[in-house]
Amino acid sequence: RKEVEQDPGPFNVPEGATVAFNCTYSNSASQSFFWYRQDCRKEPKLLMSVYSSGNEDGRFTAQLNRASQYISLLIRDSKLSDSATYLCVVNVDSSASKIIFGSGTRLSIRP
Amino acid sequence: EPEVTQTPSHQVTQMGQEVILRCVPISNHLYFYWYRQILGQKVEFLVSFYNNEISEKSEIFDDQFSVERPDGSNFTLKIRSTKLEDSAMYFCASTELGLRTGNTIYFGEGSWLTVV
Repeated sequence: RKEVEQDPGPFNVPEGATVAFNCTYSNSASQSFFWYRQDCRKEPKLLMSVYSSGNEDGRFTAQLNRASQYISLLIRDSKLSDSATYLCVVNVDSSASKIIFGSGTRLSIRP
Repeated sequence: EPEVTQTPSHQVTQMGQEVILRCVPISNHLYFYWYRQILGQKVEFLVSFYNNEISEKSEIFDDQFSVERPDGSNFTLKIRSTKLEDSAMYFCASTELGLRTGNTIYFGEGSWLTVV
């Protein structure tokens, strides 16, 4: 099983749609969880951290299920500017080498 | 917003040549990192650096790679003898207090290296 696994997509949805991504991780000792956004040939940018209680930032909602070892990201009322690759990132401990990036899920919003 | 800056943004080099990628981390940050991303693949950890020495490195970071902080601001990645498979985007990153929960890692815009 991959350390961090994501559906590569692409997800192609119309503007205004709601879209959800899931991510699973294999190491039950993982401590911190994040969603990053990466535009083509650009650096990853932090979208949001994921907390056990779930958290929301505007149109974005992240959930963590430790028992099932998965993380989700929900985007409501999607905009054209949401088109990007979304990276699930897991930090197993405070070690840099233990930040594991998923391969990313590509999202394309069409007008 | 403070940012990590990298130069060059794109470099083309011949196989076997030495390459130095430069980074200026955020000024009050103490921990520095290099990651790379081969086109179409995931971001991979190379090395972390703290207190003027390497604190961790991955299997990718072999003897061909080295890092240096030559002065108070720059953080460099050197590839001694480039190979075709070194072609990738190289991201520098920094954090203020390491990677404890709650600390954010900031990435530079990347240096795209093409080895021909």
